[in-house]
Amino acid sequence: AQTVTQSQPEMSVQEAETVTLSCTYDTSESNYYLFWYKQPPSRQMILVIRQEAYKQQNATENRFSVNFQKAAKSFSLKISDSQLGDTAMYFCAFPLLTGANSKLTFGKGITLSVRP
Amino acid sequence: EAQVTQNPRYLITVTGKKLTVTCSQNMNHEYMSWYRQDPGLGLRQIYYSMNVEVTDKGDVPEGYKVSRKEKRNFPLILESPSPNQTSLYFCASASGLTWSTQYFGPGTRLTVL
Repeated sequence: AQTVTQSQPEMSVQEAETVTLSCTYDTSESNYYLFWYKQPPSRQMILVIRQEAYKQQNATENRFSVNFQKAAKSFSLKISDSQLGDTAMYFCAFPLLTGANSKLTFGKGITLSVRP
Repeated sequence: EAQVTQNPRYLITVTGKKLTVTCSQNMNHEYMSWYRQDPGLGLRQIYYSMNVEVTDKGDVPEGYKVSRKEKRNFPLILESPSPNQTSLYFCASASGLTWSTQYFGPGTRLTVL
């Protein structure tokens, strides 16, 4: 069975500092994508970053980057220069392909608070 | 602007009164899906659609219906809502390629009294 585990329910970081959010997963697939989504207090689900498993290079989007360790099945998100607007719940997710369905499997999420 | 829209954003209704939550995307995506998000249960898939007139059940389809008459629209229908359908609902769409990114609508907060 495909699973996604986020073991840290809450984290806090000082504004302008760096924080890393952890995610581990389990899959029997050899090729797949992984995603981090952000859910701010508005409750909208916003894509933060995407990683293709066949790529060696870690994905980067401005202040957001991932540390993807395929053998360890680990996919952590690093947020540099944290800003107050980064306060949100963060979900690690990846699609389970079953026939024509591409259902996203989500972790339980991490609540990140950025302190001024 | 590429986006997924949902309406209404907030809805309070009573048990048994039929309602429809609309979802529309302007990205020409083939794949669309509905999820519900509940505390402690995370996001669960309700229904999905691979293309026009092609829909199928997700993990929690009971009490819901969908239709896909046009590529851009994927409404969620609750024929006889019950309090256990009180939830936050998300519509998502993707280009249909195997590993394509799913983009979410803003969510609909539904309360059934």
